[in-house]
Amino acid sequence: GESVGLHLPTLSVQEGDNSIINCAYSNSASDYFIWYKQESGKGPQFIIDIRSNMDKRQGQRVTVLLNKTVKHLSLQIAATQPGDSAVYFCAERRGGANSKLTFGKGITLSVRP
Amino acid sequence: EPEVTQTPSHQVTQMGQEVILRCVPISNHLYFYWYRQILGQKVEFLVSFYNNEISEKSEIFDDQFSVERPDGSNFTLKIRSTKLEDSAMYFCASSREADQPQHFGDGTRLSIL
Repeated sequence: GESVGLHLPTLSVQEGDNSIINCAYSNSASDYFIWYKQESGKGPQFIIDIRSNMDKRQGQRVTVLLNKTVKHLSLQIAATQPGDSAVYFCAERRGGANSKLTFGKGITLSVRP
Repeated sequence: EPEVTQTPSHQVTQMGQEVILRCVPISNHLYFYWYRQILGQKVEFLVSFYNNEISEKSEIFDDQFSVERPDGSNFTLKIRSTKLEDSAMYFCASSREADQPQHFGDGTRLSIL
């Protein structure tokens, strides 16, 4: 079946360390991927996106890597801070005229002081 | 920074009653969406809307659901006869173009009694 999913349900990291959150997708027709952060009581907040013609994109403290060969997406957060604690979702958009996003299940990032 | 706003933040409704959830998308965005998130689960697509018509909908979006853009700023989701299983967080999102990031509001928590 077609799905977007996350490998681990929770991730605990020490403040200051780097975090890596992984996501697998199964639809090879997907051409656009987004990482969202969701804090308690709030909506998904856009972090970074990447198109399928790229394999890496960097933002402020975050990097997204896309490996189309194995259908794998990762989010790297440098120097993780307490404010990074949240649930992280990857989402895919299939190609063509479709604009809907298909979300993965979400992984909780917990930052230890 | 412009943001998507949703009202009310919490709506409690008796089963069988109609409910209207309201959203004000970001002003220069052209694509509008509704998603829902049942507690503890992933975000699910309901419907996308462009140029005053539905462009895509999921199987969740049955005849009990409708969307409307009654004026130049509001985007509403109506559930005609609510069921217990409609209880969820409902998120509105908007994007400038179909292949641009979708920005989410903080949601309306819908509780059906």
